[in-house]
Amino acid sequence: QLQLQQSGPGLVRPSESETLSLTCSVSGGSVSRSSYFWGWIRKPPGKGLEWIASIYDVGKVYHNPSLKTRVSISVDTSKNQFSLNLRSVTAADTAVYYCARHAGYSRDPHVFDIWGQGTMVTVPS
Amino acid sequence: QSVVTQPPSASGTPGQRLTISCSGSSSNIGSNPVNWYQQLPGAAPKLLIYSNDQRPSGVAGRFSGSKSGTSASLAISGLQSEDEADYYCAAWDDSLIYVFGTGTKVTVL
Repeated sequence: QLQLQQSGPGLVRPSESETLSLTCSVSGGSVSRSSYFWGWIRKPPGKGLEWIASIYDVGKVYHNPSLKTRVSISVDTSKNQFSLNLRSVTAADTAVYYCARHAGYSRDPHVFDIWGQGTMVTVPS
Repeated sequence: QSVVTQPPSASGTPGQRLTISCSGSSSNIGSNPVNWYQQLPGAAPKLLIYSNDQRPSGVAGRFSGSKSGTSASLAISGLQSEDEADYYCAAWDDSLIYVFGTGTKVTVL
């Protein structure tokens, strides 16, 4: 059974030069399997789920337009993991961040079927 | 940006049938399959429904999904106390983004 294990800091200073970096390690499967794709979602305190970005095969990346200029997402096949970088963080980026797998079903390729445990990231105001 | 709307709250008594609505647009629910997620307090979201009405293995049969036009619904039959959670619909949007609904908090009275 494939599992996702997240890692990264719980506190990031607010600054245009500060970058929030999170990693999601894949176990029980390969991050490079062509039928699976990977994404990041966050949940700010008291708010709903917000999709951040996803990476599909051949490095095709889709971003939430509200975050696009600050977000990068990548896959490291040598470490069997994928990562999120969010630049120029502010207090508005405080949230629980989740990594997840797109199931890649032929008729529903975008659904997230497996989720990481979540990482609470705080950016003080 | 595309908006998918859900009622902020819903409630029912144990054993009751509860339905949660999800309203989108032609670019998301109207043209792509709908997903439903359950988020228990303090836990990561869990996939309940994919492809509008399909349950992954391990999801209780009392959860069912449907879609009509630009709206979708999640029904919980035989409501149980452990169903108290936040529920989100979601769909891919033709503008190349994945959109979550606003979320519904279900309370079991």
